[in-house]
Amino acid sequence: EVQLVESGGGLVKPGGSLRLSCAASGFTFSSYSMNWVRQAPGKGLEWVSSISSSSSYIYYADSVKGRFTISRDNAKNSLYLQMNSLRAEDTAVYYCARGIYGDGYYFDYWGQGTLVTVSS
Amino acid sequence: QSVLTQPPSVSAAPGQKVTISCSGSSSNIGNNYVSWYQQLPGTAPKLLIYDNNKRPSGIPDRFSGSKSGTSATLGITGLQTGDEADYYCGTWDSSLSAGGVFGGGTKLTVL
Repeated sequence: EVQLVESGGGLVKPGGSLRLSCAASGFTFSSYSMNWVRQAPGKGLEWVSSISSSSSYIYYADSVKGRFTISRDNAKNSLYLQMNSLRAEDTAVYYCARGIYGDGYYFDYWGQGTLVTVSS
Repeated sequence: QSVLTQPPSVSAAPGQKVTISCSGSSSNIGNNYVSWYQQLPGTAPKLLIYDNNKRPSGIPDRFSGSKSGTSATLGITGLQTGDEADYYCGTWDSSLSAGGVFGGGTKLTVL
């Protein structure tokens, strides 16, 4: 059974940093691209970042470019999101999602999410 | 403001059919495949449709997807109260700021 479990969320002051983790199990982690998708309270989904299976290709939403860094450790079956210079508008539930290249690209499994609150 | 445009809400009675539209542009829907996600209250999103019209294992054939040009549509027949949820379309945007994009979400109410 595919499982994605996020951790590392919490309350942080504006300008602060936080590192999210996503522990993957139930599939060959090193064979799949991975993503972070966030959802602000009461709002819709926003894609944040993607990383290819070997970390060769990395993409970021304009809203986080230069502040967030996605990475992965295939030996530990783990995905990470280093978030720096956090702003109030970064407050959201952050989901880890597995990416699939079919004819298109889509997210077939999602974690339960971890809440990040940026507030003074 | 989401890159893809969905109606904020739709509603229909149990047993009826509903469609949810998703409008984009040539850099996203027009040149990429569309997926749809269902988010029940208080839960993580779940893949409903991928590659425009394919259903993952376990998704009933009451759910269908289609795409034409720069728009896509999710159809749900035989509505059940358990279908009440938020529905999101998604795709990849191949513009200079390449990345995933979603619609703003549509709240389905089964009256």
